[in-house]
Amino acid sequence: GAGVSQTPSNKVTEKGKYVELRCDPISGHTALYWYRQSLGQGPEFLIYFQGTGAADDSGLPNDRFFAVRPEGSVSTLKIQRTERGDSAVYLCASSPPRQAHYEQYFGPGTRLTVT
Amino acid sequence: AQKVTQAQTEISVVEKEDVTLDCVYETRDTTYYLFWYKQPPSGELVFLIRRNSFDEQNEISGRYSWNFQKSTSSFNFTITASQVVDSAVYFCALSEGGGSEKLVFGKGTKLTVNP
Repeated sequence: GAGVSQTPSNKVTEKGKYVELRCDPISGHTALYWYRQSLGQGPEFLIYFQGTGAADDSGLPNDRFFAVRPEGSVSTLKIQRTERGDSAVYLCASSPPRQAHYEQYFGPGTRLTVT
Repeated sequence: AQKVTQAQTEISVVEKEDVTLDCVYETRDTTYYLFWYKQPPSGELVFLIRRNSFDEQNEISGRYSWNFQKSTSSFNFTITASQVVDSAVYFCALSEGGGSEKLVFGKGTKLTVNP
């Protein structure tokens, strides 16, 4: 079946602009996660959704970052007034509604470059 | 606070050698989950294994084996008879039992297997 998909695969934007990154989880997966991976580092947690609600948004670095999942499926990560330090690969993952702390299935990521 | 340390930044071996990747974790929870993921050059994270804190049995899957020792807070990963296709960055991750299912990743170990 189809895995987690993310669009766009690459995004180049100018400092100060607004961007939206989209994640399509595996069908039927209720949990959805966003992570950010900088070069040479491990993924860093941003936010976790269970259904439509954000169950944990403690990883969002500041109020320029916001994420939604209005129908409990597709999620959009929104970044306002982008800064060069936001450049990274943004990863989305999903997991099924079977048991807690199940494996997370990752998408290919969106590489964001802020110039 | 939860933390994962992968002290080996890069390892290089010759094909057919055995190699062990180290992972040390910190958590105050008594219930937690440990994971290993592989990130090949293509970039997509691939799940390898999940263990809970109550199951200290070592596990073997083909050429892969994992050694979980709560006494030393370690969850090491061994590849036996390494192959060129094993070349990748390997991440160890931790998820605490209460509440959020976020993963906290180590910085990863880049493994290069030379022919």
